[in-house]
Amino acid sequence: NAGVTQTPKFQVLKTGQSMTLQCAQDMNHEYMSWYRQDPGMGLRLIHYSVGAGITDQGEVPNGYNVSRSTTEDFPLRLLSAAPSQTSVYFCASSYRYLSSGANVLTFGAGSRLTVL
Amino acid sequence: SQELEQSPQSLIVQEGKNLTINCTSSKTLYGLYWYKQKYGEGLIFLMMLQKGGEEKSHEKITAKLDEKKQQSSLHITASQPSHAGIYLCGALNNNAGNMLTFGGGTRLMVKP
Repeated sequence: NAGVTQTPKFQVLKTGQSMTLQCAQDMNHEYMSWYRQDPGMGLRLIHYSVGAGITDQGEVPNGYNVSRSTTEDFPLRLLSAAPSQTSVYFCASSYRYLSSGANVLTFGAGSRLTVL
Repeated sequence: SQELEQSPQSLIVQEGKNLTINCTSSKTLYGLYWYKQKYGEGLIFLMMLQKGGEEKSHEKITAKLDEKKQQSSLHITASQPSHAGIYLCGALNNNAGNMLTFGGGTRLMVKP
């Protein structure tokens, strides 16, 4: 059982380049989300999805696109990378009812992105 | 929107000492999660609190949610080097599909 798998783990881009961060989960979780982590700012929600075909914006969505064509995959796209997008990105997934207490948000290992 | 403030931002303690990390919310908490992150790794779930006054423990870590449900504390007894890492509190965000909003994190170092 792999859990949440993110690729790549490290990436260096030049300003203006595009790329996709991949996220896959094998737990049949309905909810998936992307966060970015910057020093002293904890994790901030970028985009999230409550099911296949449904996506919505989080706190900091500008500069990022997402899609959810399958339950398992939730890629994050940077169309034109900027230095402000240098960060560590985490993908997470959970079953629908996060408030049950028995259900928790499961995180991937993270993707460290540097934009020059 | 809900904001979570953690204190202290960083902490260095001698092995064997007790410590407390606080998480204060700008709104009533309906679900408060504590996660731990080791450098370069993802987040590991520690505990989840829902009811005011609730207290949970796992090994030497105890988390409490205060009666008014706007603050939580994480207490580590007899700290060990294995406790080192970043501790983050997260709260359910009703405006974002019940995803989590996180505090800024507390970086803990334990000196042997």
